[in-house]
Amino acid sequence: GQSLEQPSEVTAVEGAIVQINCTYQTSGFYGLSWYQQHDGGAPTFLSYNALDGLEETGRFSSFLSRSDSYGYLLLQELQMKDSASYFCAVRSPDNYGQNFVFGPGTRLSVLP
Amino acid sequence: DTGVSQDPRHKITKRGQNVTFRCDPISEHNRLYWYRQTLGQGPEFLTYFQNEAQLEKSRLLSDRFSAERPKGSFSTLEIQRTEQGDSAMYLCASSSSSGSTQYFGPGTRLLVL
Repeated sequence: GQSLEQPSEVTAVEGAIVQINCTYQTSGFYGLSWYQQHDGGAPTFLSYNALDGLEETGRFSSFLSRSDSYGYLLLQELQMKDSASYFCAVRSPDNYGQNFVFGPGTRLSVLP
Repeated sequence: DTGVSQDPRHKITKRGQNVTFRCDPISEHNRLYWYRQTLGQGPEFLTYFQNEAQLEKSRLLSDRFSAERPKGSFSTLEIQRTEQGDSAMYLCASSSSSGSTQYFGPGTRLLVL
């Protein structure tokens, strides 16, 4: 089977830095994705890590350690508009490499 | 707007009725996915198409659910004899051949009374 764990909620203030962790258990692994979803909206792609290390895209960075089955999303210089749910998703070799299993999501609240 | 559209955006139906949803992916994307999402949960995989071929269907998907993608363009998801437990957001996503980035549509929110 496949399972992912994320904290259910995280709260931080504007301008701060926050890290959202994701641990996974899968029978196979191609990569780890992160998506942002605002209330009532659709998930929006943020990043994808196939190899160990840090990927940086503007204020957002994502890290992967395949040996630890662990990754995190780092959000810097938090803004009110970053208040949303964040999902990690594992891409596995199942389904012709198109199996994406999503975590339960972390709700981020950014306070003024 | 990701370029993926879904119709309708909202659907209210009575238990036992059939419903059909449509998804128009980004035109050059050959991969199309359907997901179901309930409140407070992540998207749950339902089925996947590469071009017109339905390559995978979740074991969790009952026989009341069927999906098509004629000519490898738009896709439809039909739910027959709806049940209250089918109430959820139904999301469609598409991706190119590299497959690592999925672009989601706005979803169809279904309420079964």
